[in-house]
Amino acid sequence: DSGVTQTPKHLITATGQRVTLRCSPRSGDLSVYWYQQSLDQGLQFLIQYYNGEERAKGNILERFSAQQFPDLHSELNLSSLELGDSALYFCASSVQGVDTQYFGPGTRLTVL
Amino acid sequence: AQKVTQAQTEISVVEKEDVTLDCVYETRDTTYYLFWYKQPPSGELVFLIRRNSFDEQNEISGRYSWNFQKSTSSFNFTITASQVVDSAVYFCALRLSFVFGPGTRLSVLP
Repeated sequence: DSGVTQTPKHLITATGQRVTLRCSPRSGDLSVYWYQQSLDQGLQFLIQYYNGEERAKGNILERFSAQQFPDLHSELNLSSLELGDSALYFCASSVQGVDTQYFGPGTRLTVL
Repeated sequence: AQKVTQAQTEISVVEKEDVTLDCVYETRDTTYYLFWYKQPPSGELVFLIRRNSFDEQNEISGRYSWNFQKSTSSFNFTITASQVVDSAVYFCALRLSFVFGPGTRLSVLP
């Protein structure tokens, strides 16, 4: 158990819908990262937040957005969902930016 | 450009065999960090090791060992006396960017 929690574990929704994935980092960690893992793209970095501020951006679509709240939990919002958004979404956390990332168990999103 | 290559897509070994997973990276950063993660069939990503670019010492942890060679931009991972529980996908990753290799699926057969 890494100490990073993610909810929900599974999510099934339809195309065009909007969903929110939630992540709570390990106690003491200030940095949160979001990754997407799909069969054809592998593990892709989406975005990083540090203490509430966006710190780095990867291959995140405009339909996706994230934020980190004052209590340091983070949410990833996915809108106008497409079939290709079906993937495993991981959240990771670290103390600071270059420290080891510890991953949550992931949220499996299925878009029908 | 930052890149991580794991040329071995899948490896199958018989229990108790030694196996080495290759990782080759590309970066122009002078300071960087390399990681190995394990993803068992249950799906979670488990941290195994972190190595800083300025620390080329090899490391051994139980049946696991890592060989970091800056001269060849490689950070290889060896499992000695493999066990069925080692069956997983193993990812090599590079920081300061957030680049993961494509992973190597290791199957250890009884």
